[in-house]
Amino acid sequence: GAVVSQHPSRVICKSGTSVKIECRSLDFQATTMFWYRQFPKQSLMLMATSNEGSKATYEQGVEKDKFLINHASLTLSTLTVTSAHPEDSSFYICSANLRGDYGYTFGSGTRLTVV
Amino acid sequence: DAKTTQPPSMDCAEGRAANLPCNHSTISGNEYVYWYRQIHSQGPQYIIHGLKNNETNEMASLIITEDRKSSTLILPHATLRDTAVYYCIAQGAGNQFYFGTGTSLTVIP
Repeated sequence: GAVVSQHPSRVICKSGTSVKIECRSLDFQATTMFWYRQFPKQSLMLMATSNEGSKATYEQGVEKDKFLINHASLTLSTLTVTSAHPEDSSFYICSANLRGDYGYTFGSGTRLTVV
Repeated sequence: DAKTTQPPSMDCAEGRAANLPCNHSTISGNEYVYWYRQIHSQGPQYIIHGLKNNETNEMASLIITEDRKSSTLILPHATLRDTAVYYCIAQGAGNQFYFGTGTSLTVIP
């Protein structure tokens, strides 16, 4: 079935540095990918919709200059958390829009810890 | 996009059917109902989806009421590995998924 690979699975970074998270669709082309953030014991919150070859669409309240999204190809979207702070520590998950029997496929998530 | 309402938690005995309800009273005619589950610290896993007909696959059955204002996910023989948070999502025309709070299902031995 359709697979979305997310890397890294865990990252620890120092406050003030930037972190890049990759999301790849392994056996299908994804013109649209979605990025979510999940804090402990809470639900997933949609951050942005990533469209191949165009600018991402951010949800209200999500800072586009802090969470940079690049979707340069049909199989890769990246989320860069710039100038990370401890409050950015969270579980980040991507998903890809694949029609058909597979529904929407999610990556395994990235646990970001900012120290 | 329609909002969904689910009970925050449920228990189910191992081997019995787990019936997870979802209310989506404001759903529109072109919005699908999707069910996903999330085991701790993993990405959500697709279970099933439907528009207005009942659906069944190897994992579960989805029963949608005739007026489409609610649905029930049925896990026919729950196992301990089915312990997870289950999300019911009404997907809109923009293709985005907005997750609600979900139901935390605990399967008890």
